[in-house]
Formats: sequence, structure tokens, C-alpha cells
Amino acid sequence: AQTVTQSQPEMSVQEAETVTLSCTYDTSESDYYLFWYKQPPSRQMILVIRQEAYKQQNATENRFSVNFQKAAKSFSLKISDSQLGDAAMYFCAYSPYGGATNKLIFGTGTLLAVQP
Amino acid sequence: DVKVTQSSRYLVKRTGEKVFLECVQDMDHENMFWYRQDPGLGLRLIYFSYDVKMKEKGDIPEGYSVSREKKERFSLILESASTNQTSMYLCASGPPDRYEQYFGPGTRLTVT
Repeated sequence: AQTVTQSQPEMSVQEAETVTLSCTYDTSESDYYLFWYKQPPSRQMILVIRQEAYKQQNATENRFSVNFQKAAKSFSLKISDSQLGDAAMYFCAYSPYGGATNKLIFGTGTLLAVQP
Repeated sequence: DVKVTQSSRYLVKRTGEKVFLECVQDMDHENMFWYRQDPGLGLRLIYFSYDVKMKEKGDIPEGYSVSREKKERFSLILESASTNQTSMYLCASGPPDRYEQYFGPGTRLTVT
């Protein structure tokens, strides 16, 4: 069965510093998608970044970047120049490629606090 | 922008009541999903639908049913609410070719 593991239930970072959130996954598939979602307190879950497994280049979205290590089945999220608005629960998610239903498998989340 | 709305942000129901949670999306997405979110467990898929009147069970369907009569609307039904169904319920939608999902604001359901 495919699983996603986030081993850091909580993390903290100082404003303007860099933080890395860890995610590992287990799959026998070779083609798949990986995502990081952000859920701010009492607000809607939004997509932060996505990575296609067939792409070797790590995805980047402004201050957010990933370190995708396919052989190690690792998919970490780096947040640079952390801002107070980055405080949220972050979920790593996996979706196998193919089929019409694009189901997501989520990790248990990492709660990120940003200290001023 | 994709918009997914849910009928209630907070809901309090009594044990044994029939509960309807409504979700509407405005982007003509084929796929729609219902999750429940519990601390330490992440999001778990209850049911999903890939077309009108089509549905498939997710990982934890027991105690729930769904209805999709129109493409934009996906309802989650708790036939007889129980206290262990107290949770945050998230609806999502997505196109079949891009794999990401767009979430509603969630409904925090308390069953007493």
C-alpha cells in the first residue's frame, strides 16, 4: 500500500530564517505526483507546490522549493525567508499517475510556527 | 479562481440524527472528494466521485453515504450520526488530468 510519512508533528522557525519540512513516501510505482498543501489556521487548504516524479528538476514557487530524491523516496519542502503568514499546518500528499480519479494520499501533517 | 464552498462552517447534531453536508464547486471539475481530518491522522478519504451519479468508496466509508446528482454538487450523508463522527470534513474537487485538488473551507461537525 502507498503511504506518506511526515515525521515532524511540529516545527518552529524564526521570521526571515529558512526551514525544511520532511516527507517520505512508499510506493512501487514509477510515475506519480507529489504535493505540498498548506492549511492556515481556520482557513482553506491551498496547494503550495507540486512535483512530477518523471522530472529530475526540483520544483520551485517563489520562496518555496522542494528537494525531491526519487531513489530515497523523499520529498522535503524548504521555505526560505519565512514570514508570519507561513504559519500553518503543512501536508505532504502523493497521487499515483494514471486513471481518472487522481486520489491523494496524505501524510499526518507538520504544524509550523513562525516566531517574530 | 477555483471556488469550492461547503454549506456550513460549524454544525452541531445529536446522536442518531441524519446529517447532510453539501459541497459545491464552480469549475466544472469531474472529480469530487470527501475527507475527514482528525489530529494526528491527517486527511482520510471517505468517498469520491468521478462523474455524475458515480461514486467509489475511499478508505473509511463506513457510516457514510454520498450523492452526486449534478456535476457541481457532491453531498456527504451521515445516516445516523454517532459521536465518533465528530470531526472536520473537507470537500475537494479537481480535474482528472492535473491531479491536484482544490479544497473547500471545511465543516466542523460535532455530534453530541
